[in-house]
Amino acid sequence: EVQVVESGGRVVRPGGSLRLSCGASGFTYDDYGMSWVRQSPGKGLEWVAGINWNGGTTNYADSVKGRFSISRDNAKNSLFLQMNSLRAEDTALYYCARWVPLVRGQYYFDYWGQGTLVTVSS
Amino acid sequence: SYVLTQPPSVSVAPGQTARITCGGNNLGSNSVHWYQQKPGQAPVLVVYDDSDRPSGIPERFSGSNSLNTATLTISRVEAGDEADYYCQVWDSPTDHYVFGPGTKVTVL
Repeated sequence: EVQVVESGGRVVRPGGSLRLSCGASGFTYDDYGMSWVRQSPGKGLEWVAGINWNGGTTNYADSVKGRFSISRDNAKNSLFLQMNSLRAEDTALYYCARWVPLVRGQYYFDYWGQGTLVTVSS
Repeated sequence: SYVLTQPPSVSVAPGQTARITCGGNNLGSNSVHWYQQKPGQAPVLVVYDDSDRPSGIPERFSGSNSLNTATLTISRVEAGDEADYYCQVWDSPTDHYVFGPGTKVTVL
């Protein structure tokens, strides 16, 4: 059974840093790209960052570019999100999700974790 | 950046059909994917590549995509279908995933 489990969320002060982790199991981890998607309280889904199977390609939403960094450790079936210069608007539930490519260069998310909550507040 | 639009809410009686639209410029040239999110739960993929269903998703869920509008159709709606539904595409020019704002489906 495919499982992804996020951890690391907590309360952090504005301007602070935090590192989220996501552990994967039930599939060949280095066959897949992964992403982080967040959801602010009562709001919709917002893609944050993505990484390909070997970490060679990463991309970021404009709202986090230059502040967040996505990485992975295929030996440990793990995904990470390093978040720096945190702002109140980064407060959200952060989901780890596996993405799947389609033949014509399109992508979607087939498995999601339950999320880890990040609260940025003084 | 690419923008998707969805109606904020759709109401439907049990046993009837719910249609949730997703709008975007030339959307028919993209693949559209749909997620269901129940309160307090993670999103679940219900339709991918416009009209395909993952294993375990009932046939009552179907999708279509043409020109500027994609539609998720839920036939014979049940109380358990009450949830938020999000459409999603991959925006090739920016290499970004884009989600619609979501539609809350209420079963009357």
